[in-house]
This record gives sequence, C-alpha cells and structure tokens, in this order.
Amino acid sequence: NAGVTQTPKFRILKIGQSMTLQCTQDMNHNYMYWYRQDPGMGLKLIYYSVGAGITDKGEVPNGYNVSRSTTEDFPLRLELAAPSQTSVYFCASRTGRETKNIQYFGAGTRLSVL
Amino acid sequence: AQKVTQAQTEISVVEKEDVTLDCVYETRDTTYYLFWYKQPPSGELVFLIRRNSFDEQNEISGRYSWNFQKSTSSFNFTITASQVVDSAVYFCALSEAGNYGQNFVFGPGTRLSVLP
Repeated sequence: NAGVTQTPKFRILKIGQSMTLQCTQDMNHNYMYWYRQDPGMGLKLIYYSVGAGITDKGEVPNGYNVSRSTTEDFPLRLELAAPSQTSVYFCASRTGRETKNIQYFGAGTRLSVL
Repeated sequence: AQKVTQAQTEISVVEKEDVTLDCVYETRDTTYYLFWYKQPPSGELVFLIRRNSFDEQNEISGRYSWNFQKSTSSFNFTITASQVVDSAVYFCALSEAGNYGQNFVFGPGTRLSVLP
C-alpha cells in the first residue's frame, strides 16, 4: 500500500540552486496537489492538477513550476531557490468523485535553503 | 472566500482529561466538506474525519467525537480521556464543492500536548 510517495525526504539547497520534488501516487487519482507548510502554520496550496496535462495555480505559486504528464506523477520544480522557500512540502491526491474527496498526503519533503 | 479559523494555538492537558479543539469556517457555498487531520511529531498528515454540509449529525469514533453546527459555522473536535499518543497538531480543513480543483483550505492548526 504505497499511496502517495514523495522524494526526497530532506534536502538542503544553496540560494539560486534548482531542484525537483518528486511525487507519485498509485491510487489512480485524478486530482493532485502541492502544499507547503511553514513552521507553526497551516498548509498553503502551491499548485494543483485535475488530470494529466492540466495544472493550475494555487495560493502561493511564485517561484515554483509543475507538470503532469501522467496520472501517477506530479513533480514540483524550484528554479532559483530562495530562503523564503524553506518549508515542508506535502503532495496529496484524491479521486475526482465528490463523494470520495478525501485527500491523501505523502510523508512530506523538508527543504532548507541556505 | 473560504476561510478556516482555529483560535486555539496550543492546548496542554493532563492525561485522561477531555479536550475540545475548536474550528470555525467561512464559505459562501451551500455544498462543502469539512475535515480534520492529525499531524503527529513524525510529521505525516493523518485523515480523521470528513463531513459534508448536508449532514449535521454528530459523529463518535472511540474516544473521538465531532460536533458540526451550521448555525455557528463550527466543526469542533473532542477527545475524551486524552492519552499521550494524542499529542499532535490538529488541522481543520474546508473544501468547497463549487471550487474547481476542490483544494483544501486549512486552518493554522492547534498543537495539543497531553502530559502524563
């Protein structure tokens, strides 16, 4: 029962570096999400996707990019890392059915930008 | 606009005490969903309950119970006879049916510490 898998679990970046946070799910869910959680705060939506080839911005998209070439994968790209992007990143997925709209979360990626 | 407020930032109780975590939400949709998630010290997010706006019945699951009141836009969570393993951050979240993508809006969370 893999569910939602995120890699890596931890990462330290230098300012200006780039990286991709990986997210994959094996539940055949159409909807996928990226959230960030700053210390002591709730989660804020970065990007989401309602199906392969379809992505849209959330509340805090600046500095990030996403793609959704398959149902399973939803990578998050940081192009020029900044200290403000130090956070814990969560990927989530759910089915497209409204009656089953529970979001299932990955274990998170803890990112520090120094 | 949708919004979730959890006014209690931190709560400390002694084991076996009952504790209630408050959640107040704002939405203009008539169809919406409310959720509670638990985030233990290990950091993952664990789903606890989902409620839709047409179902105001209270729910009880073991030591956990939830009180949903549309009249006060509240969805409060009570832990009876708390245990040390209940120590975690608890998040309330809202999802509007009319929102394309139906992402969650999370409250800021309440950190619960249960002391032995």
